[in-house]
Amino acid sequence: GIQVEQSPPDLILQEGANSTLRCNFSDSVNNLQWFHQNPWGQLINLFYIPSGTKQNGRLSATTVATERYSLLYISSSQTTDSGVYFCAVEGASGTYKYIFGTGTRLKVLA
Amino acid sequence: EAQVTQNPRYLITVTGKKLTVTCSQNMNHEYMSWYRQDPGLGLRQIYYSMNVEVTDKGDVPEGYKVSRKEKRNFPLILESPSPNQTSLYFCASSARLPRSTDTQYFGPGTRLTVL
Repeated sequence: GIQVEQSPPDLILQEGANSTLRCNFSDSVNNLQWFHQNPWGQLINLFYIPSGTKQNGRLSATTVATERYSLLYISSSQTTDSGVYFCAVEGASGTYKYIFGTGTRLKVLA
Repeated sequence: EAQVTQNPRYLITVTGKKLTVTCSQNMNHEYMSWYRQDPGLGLRQIYYSMNVEVTDKGDVPEGYKVSRKEKRNFPLILESPSPNQTSLYFCASSARLPRSTDTQYFGPGTRLTVL
């Protein structure tokens, strides 16, 4: 099945810094989403982005489907950005199964 | 308010005692899914449902059952729980179509401990 790898596994930033999180996937995808899990465990969807670029405030994401990777950019990080960031993909074969990466744990220091 | 609800939020039980975790969504979504989250493993899909009476296995279905008798509800059933099913469980739903809105919305999670 499709493999999803995220990097880096851990990241510590000072407030105000920028960061780039990466998601590599091993096959074509129908669907790619980025999620943020806050320190209380709640999962919030950030982007639905099987291809192209989207922006939402300080966050933006780019997926290059032909090269099988996606990037999540966080600019001017805040302590509230702390948590774990997951990407999840659904294979292009249309199985409706989602595969999650193991996540990037981000800690933003005040 | 659009939401996915799960009950109970926390549960401690013993090996072999049947339990059900309920999941309900009020967004009229076709697609619903169950995941378990374990340290270092991310989220793994247990079962999913494309619509009423249509369910299929995810990556880790062993030891679990589901049913989808109504569009809004998707309960997860553990017929004979074992300690290796101790985990954090999430229910999710999405509209599926149009594709541009096909994003999953997650419930608050259910932390299950099987002794």
